[in-house]
Amino acid sequence: RKEVEQDPGPFNVPEGATVAFNCTYSNSASQSFFWYRQDCRKEPKLLMSVYSSGNEDGRFTAQLNRASQYISLLIRDSKLSDSATYLCAVKAPGAGSYQLTFGKGTKLSVIP
Amino acid sequence: EPEVTQTPSHQVTQMGQEVILRCVPISNHLYFYWYRQILGQKVEFLVSFYNNEISEKSEIFDDQFSVERPDGSNFTLKIRSTKLEDSAMYFCASSRGFNGELFFGEGSRLTVL
Repeated sequence: RKEVEQDPGPFNVPEGATVAFNCTYSNSASQSFFWYRQDCRKEPKLLMSVYSSGNEDGRFTAQLNRASQYISLLIRDSKLSDSATYLCAVKAPGAGSYQLTFGKGTKLSVIP
Repeated sequence: EPEVTQTPSHQVTQMGQEVILRCVPISNHLYFYWYRQILGQKVEFLVSFYNNEISEKSEIFDDQFSVERPDGSNFTLKIRSTKLEDSAMYFCASSRGFNGELFFGEGSRLTVL
């Protein structure tokens, strides 16, 4: 089983739609989770950290389900500018581990 | 807004040549990283650097790779003898602490012929 898996998409949604992505992770001891956004041929940019209790930032909501080992990202009222690839990232467990393991990303296209 | 800067943006080299990629992390950050992304693939961890030494490295980061912080601002990745499979986008990143919230540079695209 791959460490971090995402549905590659693409998700093609109309403006104003709500869209959700899931990401599963294999290491149950993982503690920290993140969503990054990557535009075509650009660098990843942190979108939001994912807290145990779930968190919301404007139109974006992230949730963690430890029992099923997945995190989710919900985007409400999609904008054209939301078109990008959304990367899930998981920090390896352990105080001595500094690496993030990324999923391959889910591509979102918001259509006018 | 402070940012991570990387040079060069694109480098083309012959197989077997040495390449140095340069990065200037955000000034008050303490943790530095190199990641790479082969075209169409996921972003992969190479190495992390803290307190002037490597804190963690991946299997990709073999003896052909090295990192250095030669002064108070630059952070470099050296590939001693490039292979075709080293062709990728190399991203430098930095963070203030280690909480997973990384700031990435725009990347250096390496093409090995």
